[in-house]
Amino acid sequence: GNSVTQMEGPVTLSEEAFLTINCTYTATGYPSLFWYVQYPGEGLQLLLKATKADDKGSNKGFEATYRKETTSFHLEKGSVQVSDSAVYFCALSEGQGAQKLVFGQGTRLTINP
Amino acid sequence: EADIYQTPRYLVIGTGKKITLECSQTMGHDKMYWYQQDPGMELHLIHYSYGVNSTEKGDLSSESTVSRIRTEHFPLTLESARPSHTSQYLCASSVAGAGQETQYFGPGTRLLVL
Repeated sequence: GNSVTQMEGPVTLSEEAFLTINCTYTATGYPSLFWYVQYPGEGLQLLLKATKADDKGSNKGFEATYRKETTSFHLEKGSVQVSDSAVYFCALSEGQGAQKLVFGQGTRLTINP
Repeated sequence: EADIYQTPRYLVIGTGKKITLECSQTMGHDKMYWYQQDPGMELHLIHYSYGVNSTEKGDLSSESTVSRIRTEHFPLTLESARPSHTSQYLCASSVAGAGQETQYFGPGTRLLVL
């Protein structure tokens, strides 16, 4: 079945460091890919998405490119801030009908000032 | 901005009690979902709905039940709560149609069963 594998956490960085959180997937067909973010005590928020190969999703300085050849959707940000501390989830859509999402296990990111 | 609401946000309850977690959305979305999020952060789909009078079980077996009598409302019920039900429960909704897989999440209900 379809699956998503994320970089093991937790990840701790200093402010203004470069961030990469790896995400690879296994899927049949052509799923859409997503990054969601969960701040402490809150639900998930969509951070960015890409719907086809070579698409780049971007938002709030974060970027991820849909790489079909490597089945990857790595999240990057050039200069992180303390406010980026959160849990990040990579996900793919599968199937018609309910259009269920398959989530990775989440990566906890902590940014120190 | 997504408009999806969950109540209560926090609930502490004793074993054996019946509870209902409320989820409402004002976006007119056909599709709605319930996820259980364990302390290790992983999300498990426990129920979903295509629309009114449609409910399906998700990937993780759950003792909870759901109903969908109105488009905007998707409550989850536990007939007899147990400590193993302690978790965070997240509700989500999405628009029907190809290329519309984005799910919008509520703030969650954190449940503690003593």
